[in-house]
Amino acid sequence: DGGITQSPKYLFRKEGQNVTLSCEQNLNHDAMYWYRQDPGQGLRLIYYSQIVNDFQKGDIAEGYSVSREKKESFPLTVTSAQKNPTAFYLCATLSDRGSGKLFFGSGTQLSVL
Amino acid sequence: SQQGEEDPQALSIQEGENATMNCSYKTSINNLQWYRQNSGRGLVHLILIRSNEREKHSGRLRVTLDTSKKSSSLLITASRAADTASYFCATDAVQGAQKLVFGQGTRLTINP
Repeated sequence: DGGITQSPKYLFRKEGQNVTLSCEQNLNHDAMYWYRQDPGQGLRLIYYSQIVNDFQKGDIAEGYSVSREKKESFPLTVTSAQKNPTAFYLCATLSDRGSGKLFFGSGTQLSVL
Repeated sequence: SQQGEEDPQALSIQEGENATMNCSYKTSINNLQWYRQNSGRGLVHLILIRSNEREKHSGRLRVTLDTSKKSSSLLITASRAADTASYFCATDAVQGAQKLVFGQGTRLTINP
C-alpha cells in the first residue's frame, strides 16, 4: 500500500538534545512538507522540499533543520535552539501540482522531559 | 502566517443535523481545500474547490466559495457520530510556491 510513514509516534527530548523525526513515503511524490501543530491550533509550515537536494524554509523554520537526499525521505531535526519544541509534527506529500492535494502521515508527538 | 480564519472554533450538534463551518482568507488564491483531522491523527483531504468555481459537492459535503468576500463554507448534511473531528480549510496562494496555508480549524462534535 502506498503511503507516508512517520516515526516514532511519540518522542521525548531532553534539554539541549537534538532529535530527528523520520518521514518516509512510497507514493513517488516530488514535494514533501513538515508542519507543526500546537494543541487546538492549525498547522504551521516548518520546511518544504519540492525536489531532491533542495528545500526551503517555511514560516517557522528557526530551530529546525531538514535534508532531502532521497526522494522517499525527508527527515526533520529539532535542534536545541528550538526552545519550545513540544507539539504534534506532521509530514505531508503533494500528490501533484495540478490538484494541490496533500497526503499526510499519522504524525509524531514530541514532548520535552 | 495563518491565512485562514475559521468560524466557529467549536460546534456541537445532534446526530442527523447539518453542520456548517466557515473559512475566511486574506490573499488571492488558486484553490481552497478542506481537510478533516481525527484526534491525534494526520489530516485527510475532503474536497478541493478552484478559484473559478462557486460550489462543489461530494457525497454529504457541500462547499461554496465566494472570492469577492474571500470566504468559503463547508456544509455536512445529515451528520453522523463518525463526523466528529476537526475541520481545516487550506489555501494555495496564487503567487506562492506549492504550499498550503491552514486555518486554525473548527472542532465539530456530533452528539448521538
